[in-house]
Amino acid sequence: SQQGEEDPQALSIQEGENATMNCSYKTSINNLQWYRQNSGRGLVHLILIRSNEREKHSGRLRVTLDTSKKSSSLLITASRAADTASYFCATGPNTGNQFYFGTGTSLTVIP
Amino acid sequence: EAQVTQNPRYLITVTGKKLTVTCSQNMNHEYMSWYRQDPGLGLRQIYYSMNVEVTDKGDVPEGYKVSRKEKRNFPLILESPSPNQTSLYFCASSLGTNPTGELFFGEGSRLTVL
Repeated sequence: SQQGEEDPQALSIQEGENATMNCSYKTSINNLQWYRQNSGRGLVHLILIRSNEREKHSGRLRVTLDTSKKSSSLLITASRAADTASYFCATGPNTGNQFYFGTGTSLTVIP
Repeated sequence: EAQVTQNPRYLITVTGKKLTVTCSQNMNHEYMSWYRQDPGLGLRQIYYSMNVEVTDKGDVPEGYKVSRKEKRNFPLILESPSPNQTSLYFCASSLGTNPTGELFFGEGSRLTVL
């Protein structure tokens, strides 16, 4: 399987704290994306980082990419209860125009 | 409003009874795909389509069929559903025949096969 993996699988923090989740992947990439999924809902795109970028910011989100280690991290600063969701990284498309998703990190932000 | 619409959202069926899950997008996207989501396994790609009449298998195509007769629609067909196809299904679309950008997802279709 070419799926990536997120770490940790689950994370519980207090409101106002920062949340960091990591993603490892297996193949070379053109870009890496992070998605958010509220319970049972469709995934929503958060941010895309290209393979020639090392860091990218969007509002309270900061994404880093280390292609030598085949890993990425998503940092959510000053978390809010509304950030409670599952977060997935996705790579692709590579050969065959496929996207590969990680197994997700379940984030709980306690008010 | 730009969206991907899936129907039905919830379905309970029995083994062997053919069913179709429809997917429609209003963004004029060339790329469309289907995923299934199972606990602990994340999202796995079933089929994808880069344009009308162009479809290809993803990682888990067994037991599924698709068609792309129109740009906006990409139905998922289960000819003879089995209990191991009980899952949450997502349709997604993206701009371009060789997409490098974001995927837009539908709200999901929860299928139970008894």
